[in-house]
Amino acid sequence: AQTVTQSQPEMSVQEAETVTLSCTYDTSENNYYLFWYKQPPSRQMILVIRQEAYKQQNATENRFSVNFQKAAKSFSLKISDSQLGDTAMYFCALRSYNTDKLIFGTGTRLQVFP
Amino acid sequence: NAGVTQTPKFQVLKTGQSMTLQCAQDMNHNSMYWYRQDPGMGLRLIYYSASEGTTDKGEVPNGYNVSRLNKREFSLRLESAAPSQTSVYFCASSDSGLAGVGGDIQYFGAGTRLSVL
Repeated sequence: AQTVTQSQPEMSVQEAETVTLSCTYDTSENNYYLFWYKQPPSRQMILVIRQEAYKQQNATENRFSVNFQKAAKSFSLKISDSQLGDTAMYFCALRSYNTDKLIFGTGTRLQVFP
Repeated sequence: NAGVTQTPKFQVLKTGQSMTLQCAQDMNHNSMYWYRQDPGMGLRLIYYSASEGTTDKGEVPNGYNVSRLNKREFSLRLESAAPSQTSVYFCASSDSGLAGVGGDIQYFGAGTRLSVL
């Protein structure tokens, strides 16, 4: 069975600082995708960043980047220059290459303080 | 630029009542999904539909039925609501035929907050 674990229920960071959210996963598959979704108070699930497991290069999207360690099955999200609008729940998710199903972690609530 | 649209946004039911949550997407996606989100548990898949005319059970299907009415619409029905079904429900879609070039990305609606008393 595939699992996704987010061990940090809550995190906080000061505006303009950098924060890293942790995610570990377990899968027997070799080809899969990993995602970070953001859920602000509006409840809308917004894709932040996506990583294909066969790519060694870490994905980046502006202030967001990941540290993908395939052997360790670790997929952390780094948010640089944190902004108040980054305050949200962040979910890590896993999808095998040959299935439509997303497996989510339990989320990390991030609070950005002025 | 609608994307995935869910109705209603909020609903309160009494135990035993039935209702249908509606979901429509305008992105011509093949696959559609229903999730529920409970505090401390992330999102869990209820049912999904890989294409028009097909549906499959997810992790927590008990107490729910679904209908893939056409390529755009995927509804979730609670036949006899129970307090354990109090949750936030999300619909999502993806163009799974393009897996590897972005078809693996799921796009979500804004959610329906359901309370069963």
